[in-house]
Amino acid sequence: GEDVEQSLFLSVREGDSSVINCTYTDSSSTYLYWYKQEPGAGLQLLTYIFSNMDMKQDQRLTVLLNKKDKHLSLRIADTQTGDSAIYFCAEFSGYALNFGKGTSLLVTP
Amino acid sequence: EAGVVQSPRYKIIEKKQPVAFWCNPISGHNTLYWYRQNLGQGPELLIRYENEEAVDDSQLPKDRFSAERLKGVDSTLKIQPAELGDSAVYLCASSDTTETQYFGPGTRLLVL
Repeated sequence: GEDVEQSLFLSVREGDSSVINCTYTDSSSTYLYWYKQEPGAGLQLLTYIFSNMDMKQDQRLTVLLNKKDKHLSLRIADTQTGDSAIYFCAEFSGYALNFGKGTSLLVTP
Repeated sequence: EAGVVQSPRYKIIEKKQPVAFWCNPISGHNTLYWYRQNLGQGPELLIRYENEEAVDDSQLPKDRFSAERLKGVDSTLKIQPAELGDSAVYLCASSDTTETQYFGPGTRLLVL
């Protein structure tokens, strides 16, 4: 399918906020997701947002959705070293998830 | 609640050998997916099951890949014969609705 685009790498200092951006392709996507993948592990569902919403907050995580620009972002407040991982944006397109290539987040002390 | 279970976690085989992966979805989840994740990429769908029926296998390379979900619960994905390019992580996911999928830890396959 068409590409879901993400920046490949982000480095932040512990305690700062992280913002990971994503551009998706299917304007008819009903749900958009953020997954986290730690080394050697599977994908952990972090959060998702329904397409008729423009923001969702869940503890340290804030998701912003701009449907006009097909832009999705994930903000992690007070980023910790344990947040270091690869973060995947995914759109629900038809009956399967269409993933980006992932953003590697490195949190330095 | 137990998550999606996959085995084995790691597999190393020589090219042209067969290999099989097993997945047990979350209890009660009727939809099961197999994805392949190549190094540095996001997962890509191979096949989707609704109960025991494969409803989307358009991305499954049918010359060497096969899958089954005989009783609508566990599933097996097989490759025969394996090629070097099949080295990847094979992920199983399940859902009770079509929107939210939960992933297993994956099987890391290395073909030598």
